[in-house]
Amino acid sequence: GGIITQTPKFLIGQEGQKLTLKCQQNFNHDTMYWYRQDSGKGLRLIYYSITENDLQKGDLSEGYDASREKKSSFSLTVTSAQKNEMAVFLCASSQGGNSDYTFGSGTRLLVI
Amino acid sequence: QEKVQQSPESLIVPEGAMVSLNCSFSDSASQSIWWYQQHPGKGPKALISIFSNGNKKEGRLTVYLNRASLHVSLHIKDSQPSDSAVYLCAVGRYGSSGNKLIFGIGTLLSVKP
Repeated sequence: GGIITQTPKFLIGQEGQKLTLKCQQNFNHDTMYWYRQDSGKGLRLIYYSITENDLQKGDLSEGYDASREKKSSFSLTVTSAQKNEMAVFLCASSQGGNSDYTFGSGTRLLVI
Repeated sequence: QEKVQQSPESLIVPEGAMVSLNCSFSDSASQSIWWYQQHPGKGPKALISIFSNGNKKEGRLTVYLNRASLHVSLHIKDSQPSDSAVYLCAVGRYGSSGNKLIFGIGTLLSVKP
């Protein structure tokens, strides 16, 4: 069976800092996603990628950059962390078409 | 812009009860409807999907889709304490720029022994 791994599990940053979150999958899935989960707001799509070196913006892309240099990995950068920001960032992968998503366990971000 | 709304926000039921969760969506052209389960500290896990009008049964789960009313429901028979989790409804479309799922906020289910 495959696995999708997110690092780090917890991330504490300072206001204005650039922070990078990483995601690796060994399913050989084509498409990868980054979602942000906030209490009371559900999951919101930040970026996704349908193949290596492809990037597509989601509804919440402002303030973020993404990179897909290899098929198996997808990284997300918070370009300038906002004070008191607290959220869970979830990475997912999918074979494409109408396939389901497999999610990682998330990176929990706190900005002080 | 697809909108997905779920009800109720939270639900407490005794063990063995039938659970009914509701989801409404805005785009009739949405191709797939998914239900995901999320336990605390974990990522969501796909439970069941439906693409065509009607119903689909898998084990203790049954999902009903009515495209005319833009409504889908998930029913869990003989609920167990291990079913306690957040249930997320997700609606998807597949196009030239890949497939995207739009998620609802979720329903928090608590099954009491």
